[in-house]
Amino acid sequence: GDSVTQMEGPVTLSEEAFLTINCTYTATGYPSLFWYVQYPGEGLQLLLKATKADDKGSNKGFEATYRKETTSFHLEKGSVQVSDSAVYFCALSDTGANNLFFGTGTRLTVIP
Amino acid sequence: GAGVSQTPSNKVTEKGKYVELRCDPISGHTALYWYRQSLGQGPEFLIYFQGTGAADDSGLPNDRFFAVRPEGSVSTLKIQRTERGDSAVYLCASSLSGGGNNEQFFGPGTRLTVL
Repeated sequence: GDSVTQMEGPVTLSEEAFLTINCTYTATGYPSLFWYVQYPGEGLQLLLKATKADDKGSNKGFEATYRKETTSFHLEKGSVQVSDSAVYFCALSDTGANNLFFGTGTRLTVIP
Repeated sequence: GAGVSQTPSNKVTEKGKYVELRCDPISGHTALYWYRQSLGQGPEFLIYFQGTGAADDSGLPNDRFFAVRPEGSVSTLKIQRTERGDSAVYLCASSLSGGGNNEQFFGPGTRLTVL
């Protein structure tokens, strides 16, 4: 079956630090991969996505590359800001599926 | 434009009672999803509608859970004989059409507490 394994949190970083949140997956088909973010007091929103191997999704300075050989989709940002403090969810949608399958989420806190 | 809205934002009920949770998707979105998020977990899929019909209800945990979308817009998730284990945040999402590649837009959720 499908599964998503995310780096356990919480993660605390100083402003301008480099961020990596690891995500690996298993899927029966050829999934699309997503990162969703939940800012304090807000609903889940799509941060970035990639639909095939070697695709790189990017948004707001965040990037993630679809690595089929390592079944990974790690989230990175070169210089985090306090406003990036949120919970980040890695997710997949498998071939022929319509729903998303989420990881458990990683809470990021950025301190000034 | 308006996003996905859900009502109520909070619902407290007693064990054994019946509850209804409402979702208003983004206008024009044909696909609608319900998810459940327990504390410290990611959202778990419950049911997917394409138009008026439930195209995939494989995530519903048991027959106490039921959802409808009679006119292809607003959806109601219904839970009968609630149990304490049903306590969670229930999320609704919509997308322009079905298919795993389409962005799903999430509502703020309804926090259900069963005492």
